[in-house]
This record gives sequence, C-alpha cells and structure tokens, in this order.
Amino acid sequence: EPEVTQTPSHQVTQMGQEVILRCVPISNHLYFYWYRQILGQKVEFLVSFYNNEISEKSEIFDDQFSVERPDGSNFTLKIRSTKLEDSAMYFCASSDEKSSYNEQFFGPGTRLTVL
Amino acid sequence: AQSVTQPDIHITVSEGASLELRCNYSYGATPYLFWYVQSPGQGLQLLLKYFSGDTLVQGIKGFEAEFKRSQSSFNLRKPSVHWSDAAEYFCAVGAYAAGNKLTFGGGTRVLVKP
Repeated sequence: EPEVTQTPSHQVTQMGQEVILRCVPISNHLYFYWYRQILGQKVEFLVSFYNNEISEKSEIFDDQFSVERPDGSNFTLKIRSTKLEDSAMYFCASSDEKSSYNEQFFGPGTRLTVL
Repeated sequence: AQSVTQPDIHITVSEGASLELRCNYSYGATPYLFWYVQSPGQGLQLLLKYFSGDTLVQGIKGFEAEFKRSQSSFNLRKPSVHWSDAAEYFCAVGAYAAGNKLTFGGGTRVLVKP
C-alpha cells in the first residue's frame, strides 16, 4: 500500500540554525500539506500546496517557513532560523483530488528538537 | 471558523469494556469529519471518515462513529476495547474539496486497564 514517508525521523538542531524536513508524498497525489504538533497539544495546520504554489497557510507559517517541491517526488519544509518554540512533531500529508473527498494520508512525522 | 472540541482529555477503560469518545464540531458548511488514531511515537492513522449518507460509519479496527447534525457531534465508539487500542484519538473536520486544511481537536488519550 502506498504511503507517505518522511526523513529524518528525528532532527536535533541549535537555535538559529536552518533545518529542512523532507517528505515523499504518495506518487499520484496532487495536494501536499504540513502540520505540526507541539508536545501534548493538538495537531495544527501549517500550509497546503498545489500546482507548485501555496494554497493556504496558517498564521503560524510566517516568513521563517517555506515549502518547496524541488523535484517530482519530494516536498520539503524549511525553517530558516529555528526557535525553541519550533520544537514539535512535523507531519507531512498528501491527498488526491480524485480520491475520497479530501482524505489526507499522513506520514510518520519528523520530531524536531531545537536546543 | 471551523473548530473541533474533544471534551475528554483522558479516558481509562477496562479491556473488554465499551468505549465512546466525544467530538463536537463547528463548521459553516457541510462538514467532512474524520477520526485519526496516534499510537505512541507514531503518525496519524485514519480510522474512519464521514461526508454524507448513512450517519453511522464503520471504520478499521472495529470502530464506528455516528454523525448527529442536530448535536454537531461525531462520536467514536467501540463495543469491546483491546489493550492495543491504548492510544491518542483525534477528531478532525474539513471541507469536502481536496486541498483544504483539516482542523483537529485536542485529542483524547485512552488508557486500557487489564
């Protein structure tokens, strides 16, 4: 069964450093998303991406964040200068406009720890 | 604005007993509703979803959920809980069309006693 994959599973970085979180969505999917979950809190939407453009972003997704689809398979989230409060689990998801009504398939997540 | 409330932060249930997790939503149009489960250290797995039709939907792992429009609720149930059901459960709401964000509730952590 096709699945969304994410790398790395855990990333530790120093405050102020740049990080790139990588995702490989399901191959025939057209919509891509990033969500995050701060420890003990709810899953929060960050951004959605379609046709090489951001479709929607939340207020969390400020200028420190960017997304890119550098090739036909990867979808990345970059945080330019990490803050302590960026420590969270980051989930990538994808969906196909032709499949079941906005059903989003989630990857296993990348745990980001900012020291 | 869309929102989801899961009133119970923790629920402890004995193995073999029934389980019901509450979810209330606020959404301006016809909601598309989901339940996801997250086991410790794992990602989000879809249990079931509802958009239209029969208001009682069946999912994986023996779970079912009932949509009640009049109560803006989408409660999750399982008749007989197994120890492996210990996890965190998230209710989510979104628009029908692909590409729209999901809004999640705060989650309910389920503990299963032997």
